[in-house]
Amino acid sequence: GAVVSQHPSRVICKSGTSVKIECRSLDFQATTMFWYRQFPKQSLMLMATSNEGSKATYEQGVEKDKFLINHASLTLSTLTVTSAHPEDSSFYICSARDLGLAHSYEQYFGPGTRLTVT
Amino acid sequence: LAKTTQPISMDSYEGQEVNITCSHNNIATNDYITWYQQFPSQGPRFIIQGYKTKVTNEVASLFIPADRKSSTLSLPRVSLSDTAVYYCLVGLSGGSYIPTFGRGTSLIVHP
Repeated sequence: GAVVSQHPSRVICKSGTSVKIECRSLDFQATTMFWYRQFPKQSLMLMATSNEGSKATYEQGVEKDKFLINHASLTLSTLTVTSAHPEDSSFYICSARDLGLAHSYEQYFGPGTRLTVT
Repeated sequence: LAKTTQPISMDSYEGQEVNITCSHNNIATNDYITWYQQFPSQGPRFIIQGYKTKVTNEVASLFIPADRKSSTLSLPRVSLSDTAVYYCLVGLSGGSYIPTFGRGTSLIVHP
């Protein structure tokens, strides 16, 4: 099946710094990717929809200036957590759908990125 | 998007069949039902998807009654490695589908 990768898998940063997380579709193209955040023992919370070549659509309550999303190509979306604080520590997951498979409805999820802000 | 309701947790034993039911009373005509599995510190993994009646693949079966207001994921002969959180998602498949997760069901399989 299709593969979505994320980099890095784990990152520890100091409070006030920025962290960039990459999401790549390795063997398919995706005009839309989704970014989620998951806190311990909780479900995935959709943060934003990343659209190739246009601005991302953010969910209510998600600060677009803090969580910068760039979808510069059909295989890459990046999430930058700016001026990170300890409360931003979480598990960040991206997903994408293979547009090349007309009858496929699967969303492929990345392995996640564990962000720890100290 | 249709809201889903699942049991928060379930327990089972190795070798048993496990059925997890999801309620989605306000499912729309064009909505598909998709189930995902998630292990700790991993991204969700697609299990199965269906629209109506029954769908079966190599890992699970999905039963959807005629009114489509609920669905049941059936895992045959579970093993310890099936311990995970299972999510039911409902939405229109295709370019406009935004996968939104509910609380999920935490399945624990005991020896």
